[in-house]
Amino acid sequence: QVQVVESGGGVVQPGGSLRLSCAASGFTFWSYGMHWVRQAPGKGLEWVAFIHYDGSDKYYADSVKGRFTISRDNSKSMLYLQMNSLRTEDTAVYYCAKVFCTTGTFCALDIWGQGTMVTVSS
Amino acid sequence: EIVLTQSPGTLSLSPGERATLSCRASQSVSRSYLAWYQQKPGQAPRLLIYGASSRATGIPDRFSGSGSGTDFTLTISRLEPEDFAVYYCQQYGSSFPLTFGGGTKVEIK
Repeated sequence: QVQVVESGGGVVQPGGSLRLSCAASGFTFWSYGMHWVRQAPGKGLEWVAFIHYDGSDKYYADSVKGRFTISRDNSKSMLYLQMNSLRTEDTAVYYCAKVFCTTGTFCALDIWGQGTMVTVSS
Repeated sequence: EIVLTQSPGTLSLSPGERATLSCRASQSVSRSYLAWYQQKPGQAPRLLIYGASSRATGIPDRFSGSGSGTDFTLTISRLEPEDFAVYYCQQYGSSFPLTFGGGTKVEIK
């Protein structure tokens, strides 16, 4: 069964840090680029970051550039999002998602996890 | 950055009716790299359409996508009870950032 499962969310104070994890199974993780997408409560979807299948390239939304770092460990089929200098506006459900095409960059997102909630509040 | 504008914001229809959702881009979407997702409350988004008109695996044929350039449409030919949800378009063209539309809620009339 192809799936991704996020973990690591929680409540953190403004300025704090959090590391999200995404465990992949049922597919050849090392062949697919991966995204993080977030959704603030009651709002729409916002793309956060992307990493190439081999980790060679990474891209970020302007809203998180310099604060968030996406990484992956292909030997463990794991995706990560290190979030530093968190702000109240980072409060959201964070989803990891797999791209549809092998080794591709610009592809639709076909497998999504159930998300992990991050709340930034004092 | 390509801005996607979805309309209407809310569509009130009855089961069995046809739904037509619009997604307009601020500039041409490269190679029709436009996707549609369905999201139900408390659930993750689900890929319906990619490449503007190709149905994802397991998606019923009552869902169809069309369009190119800056104007795209998602059509649900006959609404089933499980189709009432929020729908998002997304462009994944040749540069970052990827962007999503603001969503269209299809609700039961």
